[in-house]
Amino acid sequence: EDQVTQSPEALRLQEGESSSLNCSYTVSGLRGLFWYRQDPGKGPEFLFTLYSAGEEKEKERLKATLTKKESFLHITAPKPEDSATYLCAVCLQGAQKLVFGQGTRLTINP
Amino acid sequence: GAGVSQTPSNKVTEKGKYVELRCDPISGHTALYWYRQSLGQGPEFLIYFQGTGAADDSGLPNDRFFAVRPEGSVSTLKIQRTERGDSAVYLCASSRDRGKTEAFFGQGTRLTVV
Repeated sequence: EDQVTQSPEALRLQEGESSSLNCSYTVSGLRGLFWYRQDPGKGPEFLFTLYSAGEEKEKERLKATLTKKESFLHITAPKPEDSATYLCAVCLQGAQKLVFGQGTRLTINP
Repeated sequence: GAGVSQTPSNKVTEKGKYVELRCDPISGHTALYWYRQSLGQGPEFLIYFQGTGAADDSGLPNDRFFAVRPEGSVSTLKIQRTERGDSAVYLCASSRDRGKTEAFFGQGTRLTVV
């Protein structure tokens, strides 16, 4: 069965304290891996798409990486406005739908 | 508008009633998706449209749920005989085509069945 697991479920950091969020996946065939940010009461906001192992993408304080079994979202020197739930999703080969993990709720304290 | 628009933003209905949720995708986007998100969980796939046709409806939980996209733009998700377990946020997303492009989400409709 295709599965996406994110860890930790929740993470509290101090402003400026760098860390990483993990997304592990077990799928029959990966077409792409997506990272989204979701603020309370809002829909998910697209961040990155990764297609092959070894690929990396960066945007401001965020960097996403991909291996054959997992993806990491690295956050460098975070600010309070980075507080949100970060969702990982996979798109399977031969399909169009996204299979989401349960998300990591990130809180950055000033 | 520039983004995906969903109406209403909130809907409270009584158990057993019929509801319709509307999604206006980004102009020119041919692919449209419906997802359902329960509190503390990631979104779960319901149905995918490519143009006017439902290309994948494998996520619809039962025959009380139905969705249409008659002109290949606006879509309506219809739920008959609502149950309390249908309470969730219903999210709509669209993407430019069926390729590797990212999907853009609306703000969702929060459905509460009382």
